[in-house]
Amino acid sequence: QKEVEQDPGPLSVPEGAIVSLNCTYSNSAFQYFMWYRQYSRKGPELLMYTYSSGNKEDGRFTAQVDKSSKYISLFIRDSQPSDSATYLCAMRSGGATNKLIFGTGTLLAVQP
Amino acid sequence: DSGVTQTPKHLITATGQRVTLRCSPRSGDLSVYWYQQSLDQGLQFLIQYYNGEERAKGNILERFSAQQFPDLHSELNLSSLELGDSALYFCASSATRGGSDTQYFGPGTRLTVL
Repeated sequence: QKEVEQDPGPLSVPEGAIVSLNCTYSNSAFQYFMWYRQYSRKGPELLMYTYSSGNKEDGRFTAQVDKSSKYISLFIRDSQPSDSATYLCAMRSGGATNKLIFGTGTLLAVQP
Repeated sequence: DSGVTQTPKHLITATGQRVTLRCSPRSGDLSVYWYQQSLDQGLQFLIQYYNGEERAKGNILERFSAQQFPDLHSELNLSSLELGDSALYFCASSATRGGSDTQYFGPGTRLTVL
């Protein structure tokens, strides 16, 4: 079983829809949780960064972390065609090593 | 633009060959990380260097090696290449070596082994 599980999709939604992306994980030592966006043939770009449990909002994006359920989510409001990309969740434990464990990514297509 | 640069963008080579991928971190960043992204395995951590010293290792093959130079740029060497080594290789950098550090990724090198 992988440490981080993510539905690969693809997920297709109409423009303006609310998108929900999720990851589950098994390692209770994870403390830092991230969402990266990756456009085709490009490097991952950091979208959201959360420490421990709770919510964080940045514009149209909201990240949620529920450590008790080992479950993280990314919500995108008023989705736009430019949001079409692969969304990768990533996480790591604290300490001296900064090794990120990634989900496999969810491919999102926002239809105009 | 993350500020992390990688060269070359594309590399096509044959099985059994050796290649070197280069990464320049963001200005001021001391840590460099290498990741491999393949269709079946997703994005996998290979190795981390901090200020010239190896800091952490992931599932890096013995045929692969890396180093970080005094000017903080890093190179990933892949030898005795196999078809299965075809993948995207990303470099990331961060300011320090752990804690709440954010990693910024470069544009990647696409390696094709024929």
